[in-house]
Amino acid sequence: DIQMTQSPSSLSASVGDRVTITCRASQSISIYLNWYQQKPGKAPKLLIYAASSLQSGVPSRFSGSGSGTDFTLTISSLQPEDFAIYYCQQSYSTPRTFGQGTKLEIK
Amino acid sequence: QVQLQESGPGLVKPSQTLSLTCTVSGGSISTGGYYWSWIRQHPGKGLEWIGYIYYSGSTYYNPSLKSRVSISADTSKNQFSLKLSSVTAADTAVYYCARDYTGGPEGNWFDPWGQGTLVTVSS
Repeated sequence: DIQMTQSPSSLSASVGDRVTITCRASQSISIYLNWYQQKPGKAPKLLIYAASSLQSGVPSRFSGSGSGTDFTLTISSLQPEDFAIYYCQQSYSTPRTFGQGTKLEIK
Repeated sequence: QVQLQESGPGLVKPSQTLSLTCTVSGGSISTGGYYWSWIRQHPGKGLEWIGYIYYSGSTYYNPSLKSRVSISADTSKNQFSLKLSSVTAADTAVYYCARDYTGGPEGNWFDPWGQGTLVTVSS
C-alpha cells in the first residue's frame, strides 16, 4: 500500500493568514493526489483533484501543487469557514489511501 | 446533480454481518466511467477506503478487509450495498458511500459523498 503522510498534524492560524499543508507519498504517484476538507459531523468535500485542479465551486484561495512524492495544499487567505480537517488521498494505485489529516484550528 | 444516501442498521452485534445500502439519485450507477465506493471513518480518526464496484459489476476490496467484505449493486434500484461479516467493536465507524470518478489521465477522486451513517458494533 502507498502510505500518505501529512504535516503538520495540526495547525493554528488566524483569519487572513496564508497556510500550507504538506502531503508526502511513500512512492511516486505522479499527479494522482486529491485534497478534501472535512467539517465536524460532515462528509469530506473534494477541494483539489489531480494535484492542482480546483474542483468546481471551490474558492480560488485554495490551490494545490506538486508531483511525484511531495504535494502541498495552500490557502492564500484563511476565512472563518476554512477551519476544518484536511486530508490528502492518492489514486495512483489500489487500495486508495488517505493521509492522517491536518486539523486547522483558529489561533 | 448526483446525490448519495446511506441507509441501514445503526447497531450491529459482534460476529454478525453489517449491511448498508447506498441509494444514488440524479444519475445512474450503470453509467460508465464511475466506480462506486465505500469508505469508513473510525470515531475521531482518519479515512479508510473499503472497496468499490464498477458499473460492469467488477469489484475491488481493500486487502485489509477483503476476507470479510462484499460490495454488490442493484441497478434496477440504482443502489449499491456493503456487507461486512464477522464484525467486532473495531468496525464501529461512520460509513460513507461515494462516487469514485474516473478522470482518465487525471486519476480518480471521490465526489460526491453521502452524508455518512454511524454503525456501532455492540452487544
